[in-house]
Amino acid sequence: GNSVTQMEGPVTLSEEAFLTINCTYTATGYPSLFWYVQYPGEGLQLLLKATKADDKGSNKGFEATYRKETTSFHLEKGSVQVSDSAVYFCALGKAAGNKLTFGGGTRVLVKP
Amino acid sequence: DTAVSQTPKYLVTQMGNDKSIKCEQNLGHDTMYWYKQDSKKFLKIMFSYNNKELIINETVPNRFSPKSPDKAHLNLHINSLELGDSAVYFCASTTPGQRAEAFFGQGTRLTVV
Repeated sequence: GNSVTQMEGPVTLSEEAFLTINCTYTATGYPSLFWYVQYPGEGLQLLLKATKADDKGSNKGFEATYRKETTSFHLEKGSVQVSDSAVYFCALGKAAGNKLTFGGGTRVLVKP
Repeated sequence: DTAVSQTPKYLVTQMGNDKSIKCEQNLGHDTMYWYKQDSKKFLKIMFSYNNKELIINETVPNRFSPKSPDKAHLNLHINSLELGDSAVYFCASTTPGQRAEAFFGQGTRLTVV
């Protein structure tokens, strides 16, 4: 079946540091890949997505590239802010029922 | 305008009770879902409905019964609540196709005491 593995947190950083959250997946065919962010006390929001190999998703300074050869979709941001403190979820989507399979989430804490 | 709204936001109840969580989306999507998020933040799909028809039913106790009166609503009824049902339940809807983008509600934090 489909599965998503992402690095466990928490990840603690200082403001303006570089952030990387690793995500790898297992799936048949060609899934779409997503990063969702969950701020404290809120629901999940789509951060970025990529729908085919070599696509790069980007939003709010975050980027992730769909790497089919390494089945990865690592999330990066060059300079984090305190407001980026949240839980980040990597997910893959398949056409059957449009079901999303999520990774376990990575909590990121950015300190001033 | 809230795209996906669920009520209530918080629900505290005793073991053995029956409770419902309501969800509505005003995005015109055909497909809606219920996800459960446990205390470790792990998210797992429970149910999916497409245009009022059940299409995904993961391994969920039959005490959980979704109901979709129309494609804009997907409610979750839980019978005989147990301590292990305590979690945050998220409703979501998606755009069609494989490039589906999911829109989530704010979540309902259910605490069973």
